[in-house]
Amino acid sequence: AQKVTQAQTEISVVEKEDVTLDCVYETRDTTYYLFWYKQPPSGELVFLIRRNSFDEQNEISGRYSWNFQKSTSSFNFTITASQVVDSAVYFCALSEPGSSNTGKLIFGQGTTLQVKP
Amino acid sequence: EAQVTQNPRYLITVTGKKLTVTCSQNMNHEYMSWYRQDPGLGLRQIYYSMNVEVTDKGDVPEGYKVSRKEKRNFPLILESPSPNQTSLYFCASSERGQGTYNEQFFGPGTRLTVL
Repeated sequence: AQKVTQAQTEISVVEKEDVTLDCVYETRDTTYYLFWYKQPPSGELVFLIRRNSFDEQNEISGRYSWNFQKSTSSFNFTITASQVVDSAVYFCALSEPGSSNTGKLIFGQGTTLQVKP
Repeated sequence: EAQVTQNPRYLITVTGKKLTVTCSQNMNHEYMSWYRQDPGLGLRQIYYSMNVEVTDKGDVPEGYKVSRKEKRNFPLILESPSPNQTSLYFCASSERGQGTYNEQFFGPGTRLTVL
């Protein structure tokens, strides 16, 4: 069954600390996509990254980096030198584009990150 | 500007009073979908539509209806809202529902409170 688990419900750090948000997924498909979204206090969903199942290269974008490991079915997200503006709820999501799929994104429960000044 | 719009953004209503949340996209996307977000549960799909006049249930369809008469619009209808439908609702669209990486574009969300 498809499932995304974000075991960390809430994380609190002090500004400038590094923080890693965990994401573990389950899927029966060999072709799939993984996503991270940010939801700031204003409520909208902000797309951060998409990764397909055939590309295990880690990605870095400024202070953000993502570690995709198929061997452990994990797609973890690290924020380096966190800032107060990083405070938000972060969602990991899975998509399986196969013909039997409904096209939905399967979301994790979300991790609330609080960065204190 | 490519976008998904939802209206209203905020709504407080009472049990049993029919309401419609509108969703419109200007990207000529075939696929549209509704999700609800609840604390500790993430987002869950309510209904989806692969194309005009083609709709189907998602994971939590009870108490909701949808229609897809035009490609750009996908309204969510609550015929008789109940307090357990108090939630944050998101509409999403993507180019196609299957055979693609299915990056979905989300609307800004509608916060619904049913008293």
